[in-house]
Amino acid sequence: QKEVEQNSGPLSVPEGAIASLNCTYSDRVSQSFFWYRQYSGKSPELIMSIYSNGDKEDGRFTAQLNKASQYVSLLIRDSQPSDSATYLCAVSPWSTDKLIFGTGTRLQVFP
Amino acid sequence: NAGVMQNPRHLVRRRGQEARLRCSPMKGHSHVYWYRQLPEEGLKFMVYLQKENIIDESGMPKERFSAEFPKEGPSILRIQQVVRGDSAAYFCASSLAGDGYEQFFGPGTRLTVL
Repeated sequence: QKEVEQNSGPLSVPEGAIASLNCTYSDRVSQSFFWYRQYSGKSPELIMSIYSNGDKEDGRFTAQLNKASQYVSLLIRDSQPSDSATYLCAVSPWSTDKLIFGTGTRLQVFP
Repeated sequence: NAGVMQNPRHLVRRRGQEARLRCSPMKGHSHVYWYRQLPEEGLKFMVYLQKENIIDESGMPKERFSAEFPKEGPSILRIQQVVRGDSAAYFCASSLAGDGYEQFFGPGTRLTVL
């Protein structure tokens, strides 16, 4: 079992729709969770961090964390073509400071 | 420029040469992380450093790779006697502190080994 799993996609959504990206992790005691966006040929850009169960909203983005189910998700409302990128889920296991990344979900938003 | 800086952005080396990658963290950040992204693969942790200390090098290959973060100057990732399999994007990230603080990535160095 991979430590952090994501569906590779592509996930295709029309402009204006809600995109839902999902991630599961294996280390039950993980503490910190992050979503990064990576455009092709570019570096990862931090979108959201979440540390406790529930929802966290920032503009069009909402991160959701359920530690009991070892599940973290990212919702993108009013998706735009400029949101087309690979979205990386990252988890920081307990007692370490490194990030464990999933392989990413490619999102395509079509006009 | 308050962001993480890396240089060079592109580096071409022949097999057997040495590669030196540099990273200057964001202003005020003293925690530096190196990650590698192989073609069509995910980001993999390599090493975590604070000033003058290696905190976690569990992701570093046992041979040819080393990293440092001196008291003055940038962090350096050094790859000796490069092989074609070292061709990848190497990213540096920095954070204000450890313990799950947010990490911000630099633009990366694309290493090509001929």
